[in-house]
Amino acid sequence: GAVVSQHPSWVICKSGTSVKIECRSLDFQATTMFWYRQFPKQSLMLMATSNEGSKATYEQGVEKDKFLINHASLTLSTLTVTSAHPEDSSFYICSARPDGVPFFGPGTRLTVL
Amino acid sequence: GQNIDQPTEMTATEGAIVQINCTYQTSGFNGLFWYQQHAGEAPTFLSYNVLDGLEEKGRFSSFLSRSKGYSYLLLKELQMKDSASYLCAVSDFNKFYFGSGTKLNVKP
Repeated sequence: GAVVSQHPSWVICKSGTSVKIECRSLDFQATTMFWYRQFPKQSLMLMATSNEGSKATYEQGVEKDKFLINHASLTLSTLTVTSAHPEDSSFYICSARPDGVPFFGPGTRLTVL
Repeated sequence: GQNIDQPTEMTATEGAIVQINCTYQTSGFNGLFWYQQHAGEAPTFLSYNVLDGLEEKGRFSSFLSRSKGYSYLLLKELQMKDSASYLCAVSDFNKFYFGSGTKLNVKP
């Protein structure tokens, strides 16, 4: 299957700071990537769809000014959590769909103190 | 809106067979996917169905009935390592929506 990587694997930050998470497709090009968030014992919730060369599409209830998405190349999408607060602590996962099947990155566990 | 339902938790014995059901109601449909997720890890792809019927892949099989909005994942010859959450996901053309997941506990 396709390989999607994320960096960092985990991050701890202070409340009010910003955190950037990178998602890379390693063996394919992805014009579209998807960002999910997963709280403990809950399922994945789609946050936004990242489009190379254009603006991201956000799901209802997701603040676009808080979760900045940049898809600068065909292999890289970044999610920046701005002014992070403890309630933003979660598991963030990106995915891409070469050939229609979603493959997921290993996830980034964000803890905001 | 999208509605995908799975049982919250199931328990089965090593070596046995278990069936995890998923029902869905979505505005669009072009595929149903099953993923396995171990705690603290990202989901890994197991199988997908686009047409009605059974897809078999080793110890795992998945069934789909589009008219009933129903799918199941069948796991045979259960192993302890199969203890994980199993996520049902529906593709609504451009987006994927996940069920809440079924936590499977495999006991010796």
